[in-house]
Amino acid sequence: GESVGLHLPTLSVQEGDNSIINCAYSNSASDYFIWYKQESGKGPQFIIDIRSNMDKRQGQRVTVLLNKTVKHLSLQIAATQPGDSAVYFCAESGGSEKLVFGKGTKLTVNP
Amino acid sequence: DTEVTQTPKHLVMGMTNKKSLKCEQHMGHRAMYWYKQKAKKPPELMFVYSYEKLSINESVPSRFSPECPNSSLLNLHLHALQPEDSALYLCASSPSHRRSGNTIYFGEGSWLTVV
Repeated sequence: GESVGLHLPTLSVQEGDNSIINCAYSNSASDYFIWYKQESGKGPQFIIDIRSNMDKRQGQRVTVLLNKTVKHLSLQIAATQPGDSAVYFCAESGGSEKLVFGKGTKLTVNP
Repeated sequence: DTEVTQTPKHLVMGMTNKKSLKCEQHMGHRAMYWYKQKAKKPPELMFVYSYEKLSINESVPSRFSPECPNSSLLNLHLHALQPEDSALYLCASSPSHRRSGNTIYFGEGSWLTVV
């Protein structure tokens, strides 16, 4: 069945370092992917998205990479800051109206 | 800040109570959603409304009853809930759920505790 998962449930980095959060998906029909950030006690916040006709998209301090060959998605955060500490979810849709979330990675930024 | 507003932020209710969660968006979005999120888990879809009509019900128990009075408002009526229904209930909206590439924006959620 459809599934979107993450390789690593927790990630701890030093302030100023770059962070890479990974996500694997299994639905070949997925054609749209979103990364969300969820801080404690808050709703998921849209960070960046990418369509399947692209393999890279950049935002402010964030880059999403898509490798359709191996069904892998990653979120890169440059110069990670304490305010980046949160749980990050990848989500995918395609061929249906549902948005399927991965399990989430908790990012902790150490000062 | 999110443009999807949810009230109340916190709700404690007994198993015999009737309460409602409310959601409002003014982005002109035509699709609205209810998600349920348990601690340390990803959000799980409950309902989707498209153009004010219920289009998806993810086999949600009837003790949860959604309502979409107009394109800006979405309610979730709660009755005879169980303690295991305690969770964060997230409302979301998007321009249209029938188009792939349709970004979904979430509210801050309503924390529900059933006692």
